[in-house]
Amino acid sequence: QLVLTQSPSASASLGASVKLTCTLSSGHSSYVIAWHQQQPEKGPRYLMKLYSDGSHTKGDGIPDRFSGSSSGAERYLTISSLQSEDEADYYCQTWVVFGGGTKLTIL
Amino acid sequence: QVHLQESGPGLVKPSQTLSLTCTVSGGSISSGGFYWSWVRQHPGKGLEWIGYIYYSGNTYYNPSLKSRVTISIDTSKNQFSLKLSSVTAADTAVYYCAREIEDLTGSYYFDYWGQGTLVTVSS
Repeated sequence: QLVLTQSPSASASLGASVKLTCTLSSGHSSYVIAWHQQQPEKGPRYLMKLYSDGSHTKGDGIPDRFSGSSSGAERYLTISSLQSEDEADYYCQTWVVFGGGTKLTIL
Repeated sequence: QVHLQESGPGLVKPSQTLSLTCTVSGGSISSGGFYWSWVRQHPGKGLEWIGYIYYSGNTYYNPSLKSRVTISIDTSKNQFSLKLSSVTAADTAVYYCAREIEDLTGSYYFDYWGQGTLVTVSS
C-alpha cells in the first residue's frame, strides 16, 4: 500500500534554513512526488515535483529559496532564508495519496 | 495560467446531497493528460482525495466515498461538478477542485488548485 509519511511539525528561525522530509512506503522508493504549500486560511499551492534522483521542477513563481532533493525512499523540501510567509503546512503527494502534512513554525 | 474556482451552497442539510461546481479558466478542460479532481479538508486536518474525472468522462473515486460520490464534466462550459449524497456532519469540510497532471514520465501530481469552499452540513 502506497503511504507517504511526514513529521507533524517542524520549526526554524527567521532567516535560517529547514529541511522537511517525506518518506515513501516500502516498494515505492522510485516514485515521483510533489510538494504543496498551504498558508493559513488559503488553498494549497503547488511548489514542485521531485524525482527519485533529486531533480525537480518548480511551479510558476516559486522562489529559488525552495529546493528539493532525494535519498532512497526519502524526498526532501529545503527552504532557505526563511521568511515569515513560509509559515505554513507542507504536504507531499503522489497520484491520489497525500502525506499527513508538516506544520512549519517560524521562530 | 490556469485558474479553478469552486461554487455552490455553503450549507447543506443532513441526508441531502452536496453539489459543487468547478469552473476552469485559462485552459481547456478537454485537453488530454489532465485529471479534474476534488479534494477535501476537514477542519484542522489534512487533505483527502475524493475523486477525479477525465475529459472523456472516465471517473475514479476514493473507495471510502465511492458509494456516495458522482463527478461529472461539462466540456461546453469548461466545468466539472461534484455530488456527494446522504451527507452527515462528518462531511463538513473545505472542498477544493484541482487539476492533476500526468507528465511524460507517467507521474501524477496536482499542479493547480482552487481556493476552496467551506461546506457545512447542519440542520
